[in-house]
Amino acid sequence: GAVVSQHPSWVICKSGTSVKIECRSLDFQATTMFWYRQFPKQSLMLMATSNEGSKATYEQGVEKDKFLINHASLTLSTLTVTSAHPEDSSFYICSAPRDRGREAFFGQGTRLTVV
Amino acid sequence: QQPVQSPQAVILREGEDAVINCSSSKALYSVHWYRQKHGEAPVFLMILLKGGEQKGHEKISASFNEKKQQSSLYLTASQLSYSGTYFCGTVSGTYKYIFGTGTRLKVLA
Repeated sequence: GAVVSQHPSWVICKSGTSVKIECRSLDFQATTMFWYRQFPKQSLMLMATSNEGSKATYEQGVEKDKFLINHASLTLSTLTVTSAHPEDSSFYICSAPRDRGREAFFGQGTRLTVV
Repeated sequence: QQPVQSPQAVILREGEDAVINCSSSKALYSVHWYRQKHGEAPVFLMILLKGGEQKGHEKISASFNEKKQQSSLYLTASQLSYSGTYFCGTVSGTYKYIFGTGTRLKVLA
């Protein structure tokens, strides 16, 4: 099956610093990738849709200047949390469908802790 | 808009059955089911694309209603390994992937 790799698995950073999370599709080209945030005991909330070669589409309430998304190639999307604060601590996870509308393949997720 | 799942949580004994529902306010292109263990990524279970479709694998099956606004996941003769949080993943006409509110399932020995 298709594999999506996400790094790092966990990161602890100081308040005010920036953190970059990478999401790679290993055996297929992903023109679209999705970034989600999940707080404890809650659902996966879509933050943004990352489109290769164009600007990301952000969901309502998600600050695009704080959560920078870059989809520079058909196999790599990155999420940078800028000027991180403790309230940004969460589980961030990416996913990519091989084909539109088909099942999404998930990265392993990144546990971000801002101290 | 996020699909609503019911029940929010369920506790079963091994061998018991469960049904998890997923309802959307609008017709969907497809619906997928995932199970997530604590601290891990969701694992894909199955996808339904057609209204009226029913499919299954071993003791887990799912259905998609004719109007393509509701799906149900059926877990029969539950096992301890079924414990986790179940999400329906839905794709609308804009091909945006939205997940349901989630159902926490715990199977007891």
